[in-house]
Amino acid sequence: ETGVTQSPTHLIKTRGQQVTLRCSSQSGHNTVSWYQQALGQGPQFIFQYYREEENGRGNFPPRFSGLQFPNYSSELNVNALELDDSALYLCASRPKGQNSFFDEQFFGPGTRLTVL
Amino acid sequence: GDSVTQMEGPVTLSEEAFLTINCTYTATGYPSLFWYVQYPGEGLQLLLKATKADDKGSNKGFEATYRKETTSFHLEKGSVQVSDSAVYFCALISMNRDDKIIFGKGTRLHILP
Repeated sequence: ETGVTQSPTHLIKTRGQQVTLRCSSQSGHNTVSWYQQALGQGPQFIFQYYREEENGRGNFPPRFSGLQFPNYSSELNVNALELDDSALYLCASRPKGQNSFFDEQFFGPGTRLTVL
Repeated sequence: GDSVTQMEGPVTLSEEAFLTINCTYTATGYPSLFWYVQYPGEGLQLLLKATKADDKGSNKGFEATYRKETTSFHLEKGSVQVSDSAVYFCALISMNRDDKIIFGKGTRLHILP
């Protein structure tokens, strides 16, 4: 049990719709990263937030956006959903003072998004 | 670009067997290397890591040695248990300005009692 929770567990959307996924980190974890894990693939880094600002991004288009809140929760928003967006979305957090990828990340169980 | 290649699964072994999961990498410079594990229904967990050549990471009976000459970071365990059944991911972070983590595709391990 890492203390990182995600909601919802599963979600079904149709192409063109918008979706918001949520993550709640442990108290004191002020860095959060989001990943996309397609079926049979490893996680791919989407972006990272530190102190409520984006401070790193992978190769994902602008329709993937995020927010981080002072209460250690965060959101991943995806606009104009495409079929290829179907995947498991993971969030991971790090404690204060540990905002490098070299430090251990604590992952949530993920949200399974299906786009029809 | 940087990448990680793992042996394809699933890997099925009997309890107490010796385990090796192969991992090789391509990267500029000298990356740091990681193994993560994903147990059924749980999030990924860091299993072990190594930050420079010839370093050996170890945890829970698992070991992996950073081999620069063969660009490899193979995961080994001398005697596996049923509870080791999970998906294992090899990953790297390059020593460049964008130190993002890159994962392999994962190897599913089944241990039979």
